[in-house]
Parts: sequence; C-alpha cells; structure tokens
Amino acid sequence: EAGVAQSPRYKIIEKRQSVAFWCNPISGHATLYWYQQILGQGPKLLIQFQNNGVVDDSQLPKDRFSAERLKGVDSTLKIQPAKLEDSAVYLCASSTLDLKETQYFGPGTRLLVL
Amino acid sequence: QKEVEQNSGPLSVPEGAIASLNCTYSDRGSQSFFWYRQYSGKSPELIMFIYSNGDKEDGRFTAQLNKASQYVSLLIRDSQPSDSATYLCAVVSGTASKLTFGTGTRLQVTL
Repeated sequence: EAGVAQSPRYKIIEKRQSVAFWCNPISGHATLYWYQQILGQGPKLLIQFQNNGVVDDSQLPKDRFSAERLKGVDSTLKIQPAKLEDSAVYLCASSTLDLKETQYFGPGTRLLVL
Repeated sequence: QKEVEQNSGPLSVPEGAIASLNCTYSDRGSQSFFWYRQYSGKSPELIMFIYSNGDKEDGRFTAQLNKASQYVSLLIRDSQPSDSATYLCAVVSGTASKLTFGTGTRLQVTL
C-alpha cells in the first residue's frame, strides 16, 4: 500500500513570496490533515478535511494560509505572503473516517523562509 | 495549561534498561491516546494507541492509561540505541474531536 505522498520535500523562499505544498493521501482515506511542526515542537493541526469538506480550520492563519481538497482526494496548502515565522515542516496525514483510526503521515515539506 | 504536556528531556537510559515516557492531558473527556515516534528529520510514525484504562502491551512497548489522573505513559523495555528518537504523545480531545500533540520527549539510549 502506497503511503502519503507530499511534494516538494524542501523549499526555500524569501519573505513575502508565496508557496504551495501538495499532498496525496492513502487511497480510500476520507480524512486529510495538514500540520505545521516548528523545530522542537509537536505537530500543530492547521486544517482537517473530511472528503472535500473542512472539519476544522480553527488554527489556520486565514489571512495568509489557504487549503483546498478538490474531489476529496489530493490537497494543496498555500501560504501567501510567507513570513519568517512560517519556517517549519508541513506534514500531511490521512486516516479513515473514525478518529480512533491511525493517522499516517507523509514525509513532510521542509520550508525555510529567508 | 497546555492541552498535552510532556517533559522535553532528553531522557537518557542505558541500553537494555526500561525507558519510561510520561504525558498528561487537560481534557477529561479525551477518549483516544496515541504514542508516535519521530526520528530526527523524519515524520511521526505510530507506535501504539490506547483507549481504555490499564495497560496495553505490544512487543517491547507498553502503554498505560489512567483517565482519573489524566495520565498516559509509554514504557520501552530492553531499550536499544535504535529507540533513540523523540516520542510524541497525542490525544483526541472529547470536545474538539481533533488530535493534539505534546511537544515530545527526546529519548537517548546510550551504549
């Protein structure tokens, strides 16, 4: 079974530029998550999709971050404009519908904002 | 008060010893509890989950849950150098129905 795919793996941009990350979840997983993990901290949920609907985006900085999951499969996370404090690893995870089910994480995208 | 609290460590144990990792959580309605392992530069991978009070064993790993004390722990028996990693405690809160992670405990297993 293929795992969660993410691209790019690394990205370096200057502040005020825009950037987009892509995620392809495990086939059949209805729920998709985007997390931000700053060095030395645990992952923080940014947004949770169930199929193509948003379940929770309470911690998403909506003035600069946006995310979509068209057709309930792939998802993109965009930052525009980026700030220095956005430097982090952006993790995508997926799971089946039940929150008791395991979340499987992708390899992450490491973002450095200069 | 943080929703999920862990000691950041590092916790240093000799090879072959038992490593004990602890986690407390604030939401008394929390139902599901997970332990993830994260190697440096890698993404988290699930080690164990536990839903009921008591112990749950899987190989060298034992998860312990005490809902009355709002406490969950992970024991690693016969610790190996390959167990050296950051261990993340994660809790599904009762109200928000989302997974909240602690900051992780860094474990170092020394030869």
